[in-house]
Amino acid sequence: DTGVSQDPRHKITKRGQNVTFRCDPISEHNRLYWYRQTLGQGPEFLTYFQNEAQLEKSRLLSDRFSAERPKGSFSTLEIQRTEQGDSAMYLCASSLPSTIWSQYFGPGTRLTVL
Amino acid sequence: GENVEQHPSTLSVQEGDSAVIKCTYSDSASNYFPWYKQELGKRPQLIIDIRSNVGEKKDQRIAVTLNKTAKHFSLHITETQPEDSAVYFCAAMGSGNTGKLIFGQGTTLQVKP
Repeated sequence: DTGVSQDPRHKITKRGQNVTFRCDPISEHNRLYWYRQTLGQGPEFLTYFQNEAQLEKSRLLSDRFSAERPKGSFSTLEIQRTEQGDSAMYLCASSLPSTIWSQYFGPGTRLTVL
Repeated sequence: GENVEQHPSTLSVQEGDSAVIKCTYSDSASNYFPWYKQELGKRPQLIIDIRSNVGEKKDQRIAVTLNKTAKHFSLHITETQPEDSAVYFCAAMGSGNTGKLIFGQGTTLQVKP
C-alpha cells in the first residue's frame, strides 16, 4: 500500500498518560497535515508541515500537543498528560506543494482516554 | 473566523432518487471546495472538488455547484444507490498557500433499497 499510513490504528490510554502517534505520508509528498475528528463532526485542522518546517498551528493545539517532522518524511504527534476530551480520531493527510488541494488522508488513529 | 456550515445533518432517500447537500462558507477568500465521502471506520476520500473560477462540475452521477456571490456550494448525487450511503463532508480552503481545509459538520446519507 503506497498511501498514507498511520500507527497505531487504535490507542487506549489512561488520563494523564502521554501518547505518540506516527504518520507516514506518500513518499513524494512534502506537505503533511494533522486533523482531529470527534464523533459526528468534520475533521478539524491542527497543524501542517512543509518538509520539516511546521508552518501553522491551530489554536486547538494546546501546549500539551506537539508535532514534529524531523527529516521531512514521517511525522509524530505527541499528546502529554492526556485528558478525556482528547478522545478522538487523529487523521493525517499529505499532498504535494504544487497540488495542495489534493490531500490524501490516512486511516487515522483512534484515541480513547479513560 | 473561518467557518463552514453544512445542511442537512441527515438525509434519507429511496434508491434511484436524487440527494442534495448544501454548504455555506464565511471566508470570501476561499478558492477551493472539495467534497469527501467517509464510510464507517474508514478514511475520508475525495469524491469531487471545484475551484472558485468554475460554477459547476460534474463527474458521472455526482455534481457540485458553486455560487461565490452567495458563498455557498452544493453536492448533487443523482440515481442514488445503497453504496452511496456514507457521511459526506464539504470543505473550503482559504487563500494563501497553507492548504488548510475547513470542514463542515457532515451529512449522513442513507439510501434505502
